[in-house]
Amino acid sequence: DTGVSQDPRHKITKRGQNVTFRCDPISEHNRLYWYRQTLGQGPEFLTYFQNEAQLEKSRLLSDRFSAERPKGSFSTLEIQRTEQGDSAMYLCASSFRDSGGGQFFGPGTRLTVL
Amino acid sequence: GEDVEQSLFLSVREGDSSVINCTYTDSSSTYLYWYKQEPGAGLQLLTYIFSNMDMKQDQRLTVLLNKKDKHLSLRIADTQTGDSAIYFCAEIGDSGYALNFGKGTSLLVTP
Repeated sequence: DTGVSQDPRHKITKRGQNVTFRCDPISEHNRLYWYRQTLGQGPEFLTYFQNEAQLEKSRLLSDRFSAERPKGSFSTLEIQRTEQGDSAMYLCASSFRDSGGGQFFGPGTRLTVL
Repeated sequence: GEDVEQSLFLSVREGDSSVINCTYTDSSSTYLYWYKQEPGAGLQLLTYIFSNMDMKQDQRLTVLLNKKDKHLSLRIADTQTGDSAIYFCAEIGDSGYALNFGKGTSLLVTP
């Protein structure tokens, strides 16, 4: 098992463009989470999936954000019409359904919106 | 939301013990976690403790939990320069899914 992977690691885009990030969780895990981290802050929860179902979305997740996990394996996070305020590190994590044992994070995708 | 507070900086000499403290407000927290983040990287789960425990030891790491005072600490014994990183305290409460993080404590280990 190679852990959680994310692609791309870095993305630079111009304001108004759409971007899509991918996350591949640990294969045995059925929960997948997205968090956002800005400089000097801890990660903030955005949304999570149990298998292919998106069960919760934070109010941080505006209408310009959409996440999918079509087959219950990898997930994508799309941001439409990016704004400078979207610049952040986007972290993906996965866990078993009983997440008491912890969520395991990927290396993150750093987004810079110019 | 509920708050998780940590001191922002800690500097120790190599070989000394480090103690990183955290306080939280959510009385329904069931699990509490310590994560480590190196520059430009994701978060590495170091250890966790269930709320009905008061101590957990894992090699150089000791976690102490005072549930009455909602205080969590992480002690790193024999701190090495490779331990220099940001350490995040996190709790998972009633939601059962969303980790609530502090702002992180930046640990600097000097030779």
